[in-house]
Amino acid sequence: DIVMTQSPDSLAVSLGERATINCKSSQSVLYSSNNKNYLTWYQQKPGQPPKLLIYWASTRESGVPDRFSGSESGTDFTLTISSLQAEDVAVYYCQQYHSSPYTFGQGTKLEIK
Amino acid sequence: EVQLVQSGAEVKKPGESLKISCKGSGYSFSTYWIAWVRQVPGKGLEWMGIIYPSDSDTRYSPSFQGQVTISADKSINTAYLQWSSLKASDTAMYYCARLSDYGDFGDYWGQGTLVTVSS
Repeated sequence: DIVMTQSPDSLAVSLGERATINCKSSQSVLYSSNNKNYLTWYQQKPGQPPKLLIYWASTRESGVPDRFSGSESGTDFTLTISSLQAEDVAVYYCQQYHSSPYTFGQGTKLEIK
Repeated sequence: EVQLVQSGAEVKKPGESLKISCKGSGYSFSTYWIAWVRQVPGKGLEWMGIIYPSDSDTRYSPSFQGQVTISADKSINTAYLQWSSLKASDTAMYYCARLSDYGDFGDYWGQGTLVTVSS
């Protein structure tokens, strides 16, 4: 199985500041046929189901604010929130959908400092 | 509007059977894969398996193969997750999700069904 490791486990950022969450895959999740990384990011607020933010590692889902962005470098992936808003408090998960069983990172809890 | 509506919370005893449901609306239910995802209280997300309602093609994560059964009834736009003999370790929130046109990730999610197994 591909292991997804997120860092940090928790993060406290001041309102308006940048938040950065990292995710590393134990092996490549890149399909050479289309040169896309099969990596997605979800946001989960307390008592709610996960919400899709980013797919193909860097494509923002429709309706997701543009302060959310994803980037990639080999097997390292980053979710960046450019200017933290109060409503961004949540747990964030990465997931690879390259190889079954599809696996999630352990989650990163984002709080306000 | 795409919606996935799951059945309500369940409290069961070890050894009992259970079937929970996920009803889709607002899209062509038969032609999108549905995934089931487990979340143990306070823990992360685990991919259980997927089903294609049109032909009931089903694929399980090895960790869940033989432990649960995923099924669907396309005539009523509903997918199911069932257990024949529950264990305390099955206590969790279970989510269904519709898989995107772009890949095997969930673009729409149900609200979750909490299953509690306790003697």
